[in-house]
Amino acid sequence: GAVVSQHPSWVICKSGTSVKIECRSLDFQATTMFWYRQFPKQSLMLMATSNEGSKATYEQGVEKDKFLINHASLTLSTLTVTSAHPEDSSFYICSARGGGAEYGYTFGSGTRLTVV
Amino acid sequence: RKEVEQDPGPFNVPEGATVAFNCTYSNSASQSFFWYRQDCRKEPKLLMSVYSSGNEDGRFTAQLNRASQYISLLIRDSKLSDSATYLCVGRGAGNMLTFGGGTRLMVKP
Repeated sequence: GAVVSQHPSWVICKSGTSVKIECRSLDFQATTMFWYRQFPKQSLMLMATSNEGSKATYEQGVEKDKFLINHASLTLSTLTVTSAHPEDSSFYICSARGGGAEYGYTFGSGTRLTVV
Repeated sequence: RKEVEQDPGPFNVPEGATVAFNCTYSNSASQSFFWYRQDCRKEPKLLMSVYSSGNEDGRFTAQLNRASQYISLLIRDSKLSDSATYLCVGRGAGNMLTFGGGTRLMVKP
């Protein structure tokens, strides 16, 4: 089946540094990539939607200058958390639309970010 | 009001029990619905789609009531491995998925 490879699976970084998370669609073209954030004991919250070759659409309350999204190719989308703060510590998951699933969504395995 | 609402639980049930989860949604324009399962610190995985006619997959039965904007999931003969968080998910405009807060299930021996 369709697979989305997400890296890294976990990362610890210092406050003020930037962290890049990659999501690659394997064996299919991901025209749309959704980026979610999940805090402990809460549900997934959509942060932004990216379409290949165009600017991402951010949800209300998500700072586009802080969470940089690049979807330069049909198989790769990246999320960069810039100037990370401890409150950015969360579980970040990408989801690609496309592939063989009935509903067309395939999730990455998630990245657990801890900012110290 | 959240767009998709669920009872967070936890539901603590013994092995072999039947357990039902409910979910309500506020956006009548939502096109389709799903139940996802999420294990701790893992990504959500699709459990099943939900249809108005009701659908069954083994021990799992899902039902959608559009008039009441209500979705259900029934799990029969619970297994220890069913312990997880179950997410009610709606798909709306732009094909975006909206996740409920999840219902935690703990199946005990």
